[in-house]
Amino acid sequence: NAGVTQTPKFQVLKTGQSMTLQCAQDMNHNSMYWYRQDPGMGLRLIYYSASEGTTDKGEVPNGYNVSRLNKREFSLRLESAAPSQTSVYFCASSRDRDLDSPLHFGNGTRLTVT
Amino acid sequence: GENVEQHPSTLSVQEGDSAVIKCTYSDSASNYFPWYKQELGKRPQLIIDIRSNVGEKKDQRIAVTLNKTAKHFSLHITETQPEDSAVYFCAASKGNAGGTSYGKLTFGQGTILTVHP
Repeated sequence: NAGVTQTPKFQVLKTGQSMTLQCAQDMNHNSMYWYRQDPGMGLRLIYYSASEGTTDKGEVPNGYNVSRLNKREFSLRLESAAPSQTSVYFCASSRDRDLDSPLHFGNGTRLTVT
Repeated sequence: GENVEQHPSTLSVQEGDSAVIKCTYSDSASNYFPWYKQELGKRPQLIIDIRSNVGEKKDQRIAVTLNKTAKHFSLHITETQPEDSAVYFCAASKGNAGGTSYGKLTFGQGTILTVHP
């Protein structure tokens, strides 16, 4: 039982390049989330998916797209990377949006855009 | 939207002392307040949480208090140990109000806690 698995762990991109961050959970959770973490700013929600087939914007969605591929997988895509997107990205999941269900985080992806 | 302010940004204590971290929130509809601990280079992990229908919750050496009227909540760690050294984040969400999600959290800026042996 791996929990929440993110790939890659590290990535360096040039401005304008695109990439997809992958996330998968094996806990049969319904809800999945993408957060970014910047120094001195805590974590900020980019997008979330309350259930398979639905996605919604969070606090900082600009420059990102997401796909809830199935119940297990939730990917985050940067179409044209910018230096402002240099950050640590965390995927998370929770069992159900309506129940007492804490977030389980993945180990993070450290992205640098030059 | 919700805004969560966390203080202090850094906190240094001696082993065995108590540590207190405070957060305020702006949205009176928020009803779920978790605290996360993040060690260097690791993922955030939930250490305790509280809901708006409860004023205090304890789990061994850690406790959280909530004042809904003043819209603030605090983390208390007693008998601190060097392994408590980490970054601590408070957060708030509206839970399932209006069909939203407990996981849709607004985080504070974090407190770097250092416990000196």
